[in-house]
Amino acid sequence: EVRLVESGGGLIQPGGSLRLSCAASGFTFSSYWMHWVRQAPGKGLVWVSRINSDGSITTYADSVRGRFTISRDNAKNTLYLQMNSLRAEDTAVYYCTSTGETGYWGQGTLVTVSS
Amino acid sequence: QAVVTQEPSLTVSPGGTVTLTCGSSTGAVTSGHYPYWFQQKPGQAPRTLIYDTSKKHSWTPARFSGSLLGGKAALTLSGAQPEDEAEYYCFLSYSGPRVFGGGTKLTVL
Repeated sequence: EVRLVESGGGLIQPGGSLRLSCAASGFTFSSYWMHWVRQAPGKGLVWVSRINSDGSITTYADSVRGRFTISRDNAKNTLYLQMNSLRAEDTAVYYCTSTGETGYWGQGTLVTVSS
Repeated sequence: QAVVTQEPSLTVSPGGTVTLTCGSSTGAVTSGHYPYWFQQKPGQAPRTLIYDTSKKHSWTPARFSGSLLGGKAALTLSGAQPEDEAEYYCFLSYSGPRVFGGGTKLTVL
């Protein structure tokens, strides 16, 4: 069974940091591009970042570039998102997803940035 | 950054056919944008229906199909079922960033 399980979300004050994790199982994680996507309450999906299979290529949305860092550990089948200098507008459910012929999604983890 | 446009809402009758479209502010959508389509129901994570314009996953119902139509990406639902009522998002690749459309709320009524 394929699973993507996000963790690490929670309530954080503006300016703070969080690291999200996405644990993958049931497919060859190390072969695929992975993405982070977020969804603010009641809003649409927004692409955040992507990373290639070996971690050598990363891309970011303008809104998070310089504050967020995507990475992966293929030995642990885990994707990460380090989020620094968090703002209220970063409040959202964060999903990890694999693209191409895989197309898997996690259930999401909620990040709330508020004082 | 490019803007990806979708119809805000559409309605289809049970058993009917409807086409959702996905346009780009940069011009015609081509296969080089590798269009994706996702379905999301309230309270659930998204589900990938279509990738690379028209490719389906094993879980994609046969009544859904993807194509390029009139300079846009298109998702056609033939034989709508009540369970197809959901929000549908398209997703396009550009040189670097990826961009979601704003979503189409599909009502089956």
